[in-house]
Formats: sequence, structure tokens, C-alpha cells
Amino acid sequence: DSGVTQTPKHLITATGQRVTLRCSPRSGDLSVYWYQQSLDQGLQFLIQYYNGEERAKGNILERFSAQQFPDLHSELNLSSLELGDSALYFCASGPSGGASNEQFFGPGTRLTVL
Amino acid sequence: AQSVTQLGSHVSVSEGALVLLRCNYSSSVPPYLFWYVQYPNQGLQLLLKYTSAATLVKGINGFEAEFKKSETSFHLTKPSAHMSDAAEYFCAVSESDNNNDMRFGAGTRLTVKP
Repeated sequence: DSGVTQTPKHLITATGQRVTLRCSPRSGDLSVYWYQQSLDQGLQFLIQYYNGEERAKGNILERFSAQQFPDLHSELNLSSLELGDSALYFCASGPSGGASNEQFFGPGTRLTVL
Repeated sequence: AQSVTQLGSHVSVSEGALVLLRCNYSSSVPPYLFWYVQYPNQGLQLLLKYTSAATLVKGINGFEAEFKKSETSFHLTKPSAHMSDAAEYFCAVSESDNNNDMRFGAGTRLTVKP
């Protein structure tokens, strides 16, 4: 158990809908990272938050957005969903975001768009 | 931009045999390198990391990796495979202190035969 929790574990929805994925980082970790893992694209970095502020953006679509709240939990919002958005979405957390620090991954949320 | 290439999407070994998973990287600066393992239906777990200290890095579960700058490689090895090692393994590279530019390889699925 990494100490990172993600809800829900599974999510099934229809095209055009909007969903929210939630992540609670390990106690004390200030950084939250979001990743998408799909069969065709592999594991891709989406976005990072550090202590409530956006730190870096990766391959995140404009239809997707995220935020980190004062209690440090984070939410990833996916809107106007398409079939190709079906994937595993992972959240990871780390102490301060330094490269020498490990990222601890949550168990993921499996999103299926029908 | 930095990248990693994992040679072989599937590797199969017998129990007790040597495990060798290959990773080559591309980076314009001295990189930070990581190996992660993903068991079925779980998130990623860090096996080991290279952060410019010793070139031979020892990780958990008996795995180790050697950083070879001349070969731009960071291959993962384990002297004797166990059935419990069956999983997907990801090599990753980062160039930043902030670790928010991590790029993952496509992954190598390790199968261990009895």
C-alpha cells in the first residue's frame, strides 16, 4: 500500500459526459502528479500540482483540468469524453517534487467510455 | 526531449534464471533514471533510481541496474527469477530536479515459467 488513495476504482460512462477523479496523496506529500495509461499511448504525464498550485503540464488535453485543494487532495476533471479517453488514470504523490524523491503511485481509476 | 526505449515488450524466463530487462535513454543533460514495477491491477512501485551517485544501483526484491553513460543504458537485472517477479516493468527518465518531466518507456512484461 503506497498510502495514495484514488476513487473511484472503476468508472463507466458515455461519450460526451463529464467525470471527476479524486486523489488523496500520502500524508505530508505536497506534490501530486496525474498520469494516463492507455494501450496505444503507454504511460503519459498529464499534470503536476505542488501545494495547491499548478507546477507543470504534460500531454493534458484542453478538455481535461485538475486542481489541488487546501487539504492537498486533488481532482482530475475530464469533460466531453471520447472513446479514446478510456484508460487507467494514476495519481502519484511526492514530498517536494525533487527528482531524487520517489513518486508514490495510487492504485488507479479505470475509466471506460462507451 | 528526453526519452527511453525498452527493448522487448515481452520477456520470458524460467524460475531461477537471470532476468535482464533492457532500457536505453536519450537525454541532453545528465539524467535521473528509474525502474518501476506494476503488478496486475495495481499502481506503479519504484524498484530503484539513479540520481548521479553510484552507477550500480541496488533496489528492492533483489533487482539492480547499472548506469552506463557510454552506452546510454540502464538495464535492469536480477540473478534468479521468482514466480512473484511476473509483472510489467517500466523504465523512466527525468531531466529536471522537479521530476515533472518524467518520461516512461512502453514497458516490458516479464513472464516467469516454473
